[in-house]
Amino acid sequence: GQQVMQIPQYQHVQEGEDFTTYCNSSTTLSNIQWYKQRPGGHPVFLIQLVKSGEVKKQKRLTFQFGEAKKNSSLHITATQTTDVGTYFCAGSSNSGYALNFGKGTSLLVTP
Amino acid sequence: DAGITQSPRYKITETGRQVTLMCHQTWSHSYMFWYRQDLGHGLRLIYYSAAADITDKGEVPDGYVVSRSKTENFPLTLESATRSQTSVYFCASVPWGGSETQYFGPGTRLLVL
Repeated sequence: GQQVMQIPQYQHVQEGEDFTTYCNSSTTLSNIQWYKQRPGGHPVFLIQLVKSGEVKKQKRLTFQFGEAKKNSSLHITATQTTDVGTYFCAGSSNSGYALNFGKGTSLLVTP
Repeated sequence: DAGITQSPRYKITETGRQVTLMCHQTWSHSYMFWYRQDLGHGLRLIYYSAAADITDKGEVPDGYVVSRSKTENFPLTLESATRSQTSVYFCASVPWGGSETQYFGPGTRLLVL
């Protein structure tokens, strides 16, 4: 079945440093979504990418969807302590079916 | 987020007991999902439902039962709880298709002794 792999599992950065998490699928995706989960909280939707090669930005966050629609990345510029949490990617290759979540990347930002 | 609620928020039970986790959404979303979240495993799909009276298994359905008699409710029952079912359980809903944005409930933290 479809697998979504996410790396790294953990990342510890100093405030102000950049951060990137990568997501790779074993199959071509119809879309990919990114979620953020704060410690003790629940996943919250960040963005959805649909088109091959798509790039979207949300303030300091940049999301990319690969040309082959099998990989994606989330890049945070100049991290802040408010960026702490776990970032999940989730992909779907079958319309009408559930998403397949990566295991997430836990980001720790120290001042 | 206020439109999807889970109860109880915390539960402690003993091995062998039956436990039901409730999920309620006020948006009339078609799809609803149950996930469990464990350290090192991320979010794993237990069951999902495309509409009332339509349910299907996810990645880890063994030991769980679901029902969906009404669109707004999607209870998850552990028929005979085991220690391996200690986890955080999240319910989620989607307006139409299963691959759209998922709205998660606050979660239920379950401890099986």
